[in-house]
Amino acid sequence: AQSVTQPDIHITVSEGASLELRCNYSYGATPYLFWYVQSPGQGLQLLLKYFSGDTLVQGIKGFEAEFKRSQSSFNLRKPSVHWSDAAEYFCAVGMDSNYQLIWGAGTKLIIKP
Amino acid sequence: DGGITQSPKYLFRKEGQNVTLSCEQNLNHDAMYWYRQDPGQGLRLIYYSQIVNDFQKGDIAEGYSVSREKKESFPLTVTSAQKNPTAFYLCASSRGQGALVAFFGQGTRLTVV
Repeated sequence: AQSVTQPDIHITVSEGASLELRCNYSYGATPYLFWYVQSPGQGLQLLLKYFSGDTLVQGIKGFEAEFKRSQSSFNLRKPSVHWSDAAEYFCAVGMDSNYQLIWGAGTKLIIKP
Repeated sequence: DGGITQSPKYLFRKEGQNVTLSCEQNLNHDAMYWYRQDPGQGLRLIYYSQIVNDFQKGDIAEGYSVSREKKESFPLTVTSAQKNPTAFYLCASSRGQGALVAFFGQGTRLTVV
């Protein structure tokens, strides 16, 4: 069965430090890959997506993610985090056989001043 | 502005009562979704609809019902059969077939008292 794993429940980084959030998926073919961000008590906002082509994807708010087929990973990165980046981040995998997305459990990002 | 509107933001229900959560979108999207979010878990799909007057059960449909009489609207009813309804409910929409990018509403927090 398809699955998405975000191995880190919480991550704490200092403001200005670099960030990498991990996402691994299990799927037979190349899936469509997404990262969403959720502020407390709010809906989710799309940060970036990968459908095909260049495996390094640029998103909003200075985020990027790299698709590595050999590792079944789609890790999210940011070179320098800001306090406003504190939120929960969700990785999701989509398949073209239906309209459903499979979601990771999320990683809560905490920013130290 | 185009978007998805969920109402109310907070909802309290007595045990044994049915309650309906509203979701309206003006994005002209064909597909709409309802997700449930619990702490420490990813999003779980309750129901989805690809077209007016048609909808399919997701992974956790028991105790919930939906209707799709209009393209813009996809209300979710949480029935008394749902044993643990306290959660954060998110509505989303996407353009439809081949369009997995989802836009989310701001969510409704339902609490059973």
